[in-house]
Amino acid sequence: NAGVMQNPRHLVRRRGQEARLRCSPMKGHSHVYWYRQLPEEGLKFMVYLQKENIIDESGMPKERFSAEFPKEGPSILRIQQVVRGDSAAYFCASSPGLAGLEQYFGPGTRLTVT
Amino acid sequence: ELKVEQNPLFLSMQEGKNYTIYCNYSTTSDRLYWYRQDPGKSLESLFVLLSNGAVKQEGRLMASLDTKARLSTLHITAAVHDLSATYFCAVDRGGGGGADGLTFGKGTHLIIQP
Repeated sequence: NAGVMQNPRHLVRRRGQEARLRCSPMKGHSHVYWYRQLPEEGLKFMVYLQKENIIDESGMPKERFSAEFPKEGPSILRIQQVVRGDSAAYFCASSPGLAGLEQYFGPGTRLTVT
Repeated sequence: ELKVEQNPLFLSMQEGKNYTIYCNYSTTSDRLYWYRQDPGKSLESLFVLLSNGAVKQEGRLMASLDTKARLSTLHITAAVHDLSATYFCAVDRGGGGGADGLTFGKGTHLIIQP
C-alpha cells in the first residue's frame, strides 16, 4: 500500500512565479491536509479538504494561496506570485476521515524562492 | 486560539539516561498525537492518545495523556543514539468532534550523545 505521495520533492521558483504542489493520498483515504513548516519550526495547518470540498481553510493566507482536491486526481496547493517568505517545506497528510485516527504524512515538497 | 506548548525545545542527553518531554495544550480535546521527524524527512506517527489516562509504549518511548490537566508526556527510557530526532505533539484543531487538522507544538529537538 503506497503511502502519501507528493511531487515535486524540490521546487525552485523565482519571485513572482507560480508554484503548484501535488499530493496523492494513501489508498482509501478521502481526507487531505496541507501544512507548512518553516525552518526550525513546527508545522502550521493550512487547509483541510475532502473530495471536491474545502472543509477548513482557516490557516491559509488570504491572498495568493489556493487549494483543491478534485474528484479525480491529486490535491493541489497553488501559490501565485511567490515571494521569498513562501520558502518552506510543504507537507501533505491524509486520513480516512474517522475521528481519532492519525494523519499519515507525505515526504514533503521543499519550495525555494529565489 | 488553540495553543500547544512543548518543553523543553532543545534537549541534549547521554545514552542510557531517562528524560521526559512535556506537551501542554489549551483546548478541551481528548485526542493527542506524537510524531517524530528526522532532519530533512517527513513525520512519522508514534502514538495516538484518545482518552484521559491513556498510556502507550513502544520500545523505549512511552506516552501518556491527562486531559484534565491538558498535559501529555513523552518519556524516554535508557536513551540510545537512534532516538535523536525532533519530536512533535499535536492536537485536533476542532476540539475532538471529527477528523480535523492538527495544531502542532514547536517540537523538541533531541540529541542523544554516546
